[in-house]
Amino acid sequence: GAVVSQHPSWVICKSGTSVKIECRSLDFQATTMFWYRQFPKQSLMLMATSNEGSKATYEQGVEKDKFLINHASLTLSTLTVTSAHPEDSSFYICSARDLLRGETDTQYFGPGTRLTVL
Amino acid sequence: GQNIDQPTEMTATEGAIVQINCTYQTSGFNGLFWYQQHAGEAPTFLSYNVLDGLEEKGRFSSFLSRSKGYSYLLLKELQMKDSASYLCAVVDSNYQLIWGAGTKLIIKP
Repeated sequence: GAVVSQHPSWVICKSGTSVKIECRSLDFQATTMFWYRQFPKQSLMLMATSNEGSKATYEQGVEKDKFLINHASLTLSTLTVTSAHPEDSSFYICSARDLLRGETDTQYFGPGTRLTVL
Repeated sequence: GQNIDQPTEMTATEGAIVQINCTYQTSGFNGLFWYQQHAGEAPTFLSYNVLDGLEEKGRFSSFLSRSKGYSYLLLKELQMKDSASYLCAVVDSNYQLIWGAGTKLIIKP
């Protein structure tokens, strides 16, 4: 159990376009979802935390108008990179937490989405 | 299917040594990460192994055997601050991360 999927796995887009990345919890209800960026061989950088039905909380330095997060249901959160530029190229990872399981510290991670902006 | 196995929880004593194992079955292999995650914080990078052998980095070492689908993280001279979850993640043939469920390490005085 506790599987998290992301779609797409890979995306290549032109500079200036918008890209939407989906994060789904397949067999549990994700009361909270997290979005991270991973830089090569570095720690995951938390971008934002989203709770179902409410606005996302963004980390300092992350532009909320550029990285739009929607957590409309208990199994789906989306990250939209608006007007993407080459510096947005990165590996984006989501994770989900199910407080109903009573596992307040456990996050289940998705496989990641590699975004390349040309 | 793809699978990563690591123990759910381990307990060790301050000052001691602990080894956290990770076994994997994945479609392809392009490296293995170990991350440390304290409660409420983002995972921090510990190591990345792509070749067989042991890599030492201070108190932490990571070992990989690709033929056995096996890795371990070795923590020496344990400190209370090492209490955390340790995540094993494998990069598969599509360069996607396959995550283990994490090992919660409890350090006792």
